[in-house]
Parts: sequence; structure tokens; C-alpha cells
Amino acid sequence: DQQVKQNSPSLSVQEGRISILNCDYTNSMFDYFLWYKKYPAEGPTFLISISSIKDKNEDGRFTVFLNKSAKHLSLHIVPSQPGDSAVYFCAASMTSYDKVIFGPGTSLSVIP
Amino acid sequence: DAGVTQSPTHLIKTRGQQVTLRCSPKSGHDTVSWYQQALGQGPQFIFQYYEEEERQRGNFPDRFSGHQFPNYSSELNVNALLLGDSALYLCASSFSNTEAFFGQGTRLTVV
Repeated sequence: DQQVKQNSPSLSVQEGRISILNCDYTNSMFDYFLWYKKYPAEGPTFLISISSIKDKNEDGRFTVFLNKSAKHLSLHIVPSQPGDSAVYFCAASMTSYDKVIFGPGTSLSVIP
Repeated sequence: DAGVTQSPTHLIKTRGQQVTLRCSPKSGHDTVSWYQQALGQGPQFIFQYYEEEERQRGNFPDRFSGHQFPNYSSELNVNALLLGDSALYLCASSFSNTEAFFGQGTRLTVV
């Protein structure tokens, strides 16, 4: 049973436009949510996180939104750049130091 | 700071053999977690080590075992390898309640 779901395996966006990556989760005990980015032949790189007491967290071009009632979060990248092309993993844990459960990933392509 | 380093980067083993993968955490980190990433999937949690003890474990058989040393480095051992164990094995380190930093992974192929 997949506890973290990313229903879009891939997404293609024009450079300069907004990229929106979506994630749904099933376990209401999750309290901490993260986004990681992964380039080929590299390990995942931490992007941004949000705890369940917040509904929004912003870091530069990256903003994560959390809707606890819908068990849904999204990552917004504005403006999108070609260097953002990578696989993005949504992840969740019950605490900030607990084991992290990853979704299957969404492959983002930003077209120049 | 070298970050999280893993060795080897690639490995080919025969079914039934045993393998040991190694991980050095980022400087200042005391917690090491191991993940298995199959092709086209997200990383799956194997186990986490803290203070040289296994603190949490995912849904993996006992063929998967690990160890953490006093210098916080860690090993992942897999016995009786199966073809299905072929995957990218990722090590992640963290400190206290900070986010985890990942190594580049070890690509294991079982033939």
C-alpha cells in the first residue's frame, strides 16, 4: 500500500512558467513533509520541507503548500528554469527525524 | 565537506552471494539511514542507525542487516542475494531533527 502518491509520472513546462507538482498521502499520522530533487547518477537533494502546523513554506523560487484536510501537498516552482529538469520526490514522515516514506517521483522537464 | 560518500559506486554480484556496501556520513551527522531504490520507483526505507544501534526498520527481510561504527560510518550487508535485490542503494545521514542528506548511491546488479 503506497502511503505517498505522485500520480503524474511526468510533467513538461515551458521555461519561465510555473511548475506545479502534486502529492497525496494516506497516513494521517504524517507530520512532516519534504520534497527532494534527483538528477541522474546522483542521490536525492533536499529542496524544501513543511511541518503539519503550517500550510505554506517558501524558499526562493520554491513554495510548498499543504492541505491537511485533503491530505494533499504541492510544490510550485516559479519561474521554472531548464536546470530544474529532474525527478522530484515527495516524502513524508511522522516526525522530522523519523523514517522518510517516498513517493514514486515525478519527472519534470523544463523546455527552453 | 565531502558530504555523504558511498562505496563502491557500482557492483555486480552473482545470485546467492553476499554483499557489503559502505557509507560515510556528512561531517557532524550521527544518524545513518539506508534506502533501496528500484528502477522507476521512489527510495524504500530499509533501516536507520543511531548510536550504533538499529533504531527503525522498514519492511525488508532479515537478509538485510547493517552496522554503525563509533565514527558514525555504516555498512549495509545483504546475504543470499536475489535477482530482485538489483537496485540503487542510497545512504542518507542526518543530525537531530535536520533533513537527511543523501549520497550518490551504490548501483548493485545481481546476475
